[in-house]
Parts: sequence; C-alpha cells; structure tokens
Amino acid sequence: GAVVSQHPSWVICKSGTSVKIECRSLDFQATTMFWYRQFPKQSLMLMATSNEGSKATYEQGVEKDKFLINHASLTLSTLTVTSAHPEDSSFYICSGRGGLGEKLFFGSGTQLSVL
Amino acid sequence: QQQVKQSPQSLIVQKGGISIINCAYENTAFDYFPWYQQFPGKGPALLIAIRPDVSEKKEGRFTISFNKSAKQFSLHIMDSQPGDSATYFCAARASSGTYKYIFGTGTRLKVLA
Repeated sequence: GAVVSQHPSWVICKSGTSVKIECRSLDFQATTMFWYRQFPKQSLMLMATSNEGSKATYEQGVEKDKFLINHASLTLSTLTVTSAHPEDSSFYICSGRGGLGEKLFFGSGTQLSVL
Repeated sequence: QQQVKQSPQSLIVQKGGISIINCAYENTAFDYFPWYQQFPGKGPALLIAIRPDVSEKKEGRFTISFNKSAKQFSLHIMDSQPGDSATYFCAARASSGTYKYIFGTGTRLKVLA
C-alpha cells in the first residue's frame, strides 16, 4: 500500500508554544488529507479535511485558529497546534487519499504532550 | 445522522477461534465500508473493505459480511492468532461532499495463546 510519513512521532512542549506536525505522501499524490485526533482507547475523531491548494474544512467544534492546517502541495500537509495547552495533549493522525479513491492511507501518528 | 456504531467494545478469543465484530450505520449516503487494524502507538492500517453492492468479501482469514437492508456489516477473523491482538475500527465513507470517513468506536481484541 501507499505510504504516508508522519513526523514527529512524539513531541513534548511547554504550554503556550506551537507545534508543527508534518505528513508526507511518499509514493502517491494526496489530493485530500484528513486530520484526526485520538484519545486513549477511543475512536478517531475527524478534525478537518484539506484539499491541496484550498482552505481546510473544519469539523464542528474544532477551532480553526488553533489547529492550522496547510496543504500547499500534493505530497505535504501540516498541522500546527498554536499556543498549545495541556488539554491539547493527544494522538494526532493524518491520512491521505489520492483523487476520489476509496483507500485512506494513514500516517503513524504523533503523540503530543503539553506540559 | 452520521454515526457508525460498533460492538463489542472489547473481545477475548482463544487462539484458533473466530472473532466477530459488528457495525451498524444509519446514514444511507455511505458508499464504502473499510475495516482498519491499529496497534498501540501506530496509525490504523487498512485490513479489508467492501462496497454496498456486495454481500460478502473474503481475504485470507478476514471476511466482511454486509447486510444493506439492515445497514449492518461485520468483520470475521477466522483462526484468530495472538498477533491479531489489536484494536479494530470499522468505518464508512460519505458518498459526496468531502467524502469523509466516519469511524466506529473501536473493538479491542485480545487473542489468548
């Protein structure tokens, strides 16, 4: 299957700082990237959908000014958690899809811990 | 209502047994139903998927059964192995708009050696 490389795998930061998470599709063009958040032993909650070159579409309740998503190219999407607070601590996962293809390819996730 | 209900929440199966996980949906505007396997600290990996015009799909030890009229689908893992111990998520893809995926709540499977 196609590969989505997500970095970093884990990050610890101080409250009030910003953290950037990168996802790269290595062997396909990800026209759409989905960003999920997952709490321990819980399901994946969709945060936003981004299409290359367009503004991201955020799910209800997700603060777009806090979770900045950039999808400037077909192989790179980034999620920046701005002014992070302890309640933002979570496992963040990206997934990419090429065109209107059915298959989603997931990154390996980023564990964010905000002190 | 865009929701996918998954059961059971957890499942313990003896090695060699059959693991069965069920999902149900309400929105008929879904056109693709994948199952994902997730190990701790990792992203989900696609296991098997089905479209609503097919009632069953089998790949190795994994089988999806799909009941369109009941809006239910299930994953069967035959000859379950300890290496199958993971969390399994069903999902449904919207057939329009952003074609986003709605995930079930997950089932933690433990296969005893």
